[in-house]
Amino acid sequence: SQQGEEDPQALSIQEGENATMNCSYKTSINNLQWYRQNSGRGLVHLILIRSNEREKHSGRLRVTLDTSKKSSSLLITASRAADTASYFCATVRASGGYQKVTFGTGTKLQVIP
Amino acid sequence: GAGVSQSPSNKVTEKGKDVELRCDPISGHTALYWYRQSLGQGLEFLIYFQGNSAPDKSGLPSDRFSAERTGGSVSTLTIQRTQQEDSAVYLCASIWTGDEWAPGYTFGSGTRLTVV
Repeated sequence: SQQGEEDPQALSIQEGENATMNCSYKTSINNLQWYRQNSGRGLVHLILIRSNEREKHSGRLRVTLDTSKKSSSLLITASRAADTASYFCATVRASGGYQKVTFGTGTKLQVIP
Repeated sequence: GAGVSQSPSNKVTEKGKDVELRCDPISGHTALYWYRQSLGQGLEFLIYFQGNSAPDKSGLPSDRFSAERTGGSVSTLTIQRTQQEDSAVYLCASIWTGDEWAPGYTFGSGTRLTVV
């Protein structure tokens, strides 16, 4: 299995509910990022959490990172129909001057109005 | 430019033909990545350019795929003798790696390649 696996693969919720997506990875990382993708095109960066951080907030987004369990979660509070998209986690490892980023398989979120 | 620009946005080609996909990263960004995404799937790493260092080509699926980055800026991904399984969206991303804690990678809108 690949670095950065999200679960669930798909999630359907009602508008106003919270959405939680999880990401697990296998190797040590420098930081972990979450991205959003609409309509199978370019990804948009949402939030970055460093390996020495445990929780980070940005608007309605809350990200946690547990390096001992090699997992992260993305919580979207008070979801809106416009949040419907695919969400990807990306793990970043810096090694020998290189910075390699690996994306997970994504969670497809549907928010029903 | 203000963002990462990819061209063409859509490309339909006949099986066996060669195609070139272009990525124009954000000016000053030192690293450039190519990914491939099949319909409904995650992102598959293809190749990574970092400054003047030798590129990391470990993700290229076959020797039909090659990429270059000229002058540390524009990159071209070339697929020779295209096959139907090459059909996917090809995404380019760039980032400035002078600061490890750069806020994130900037993606282009991708090139949707269809091999018929």
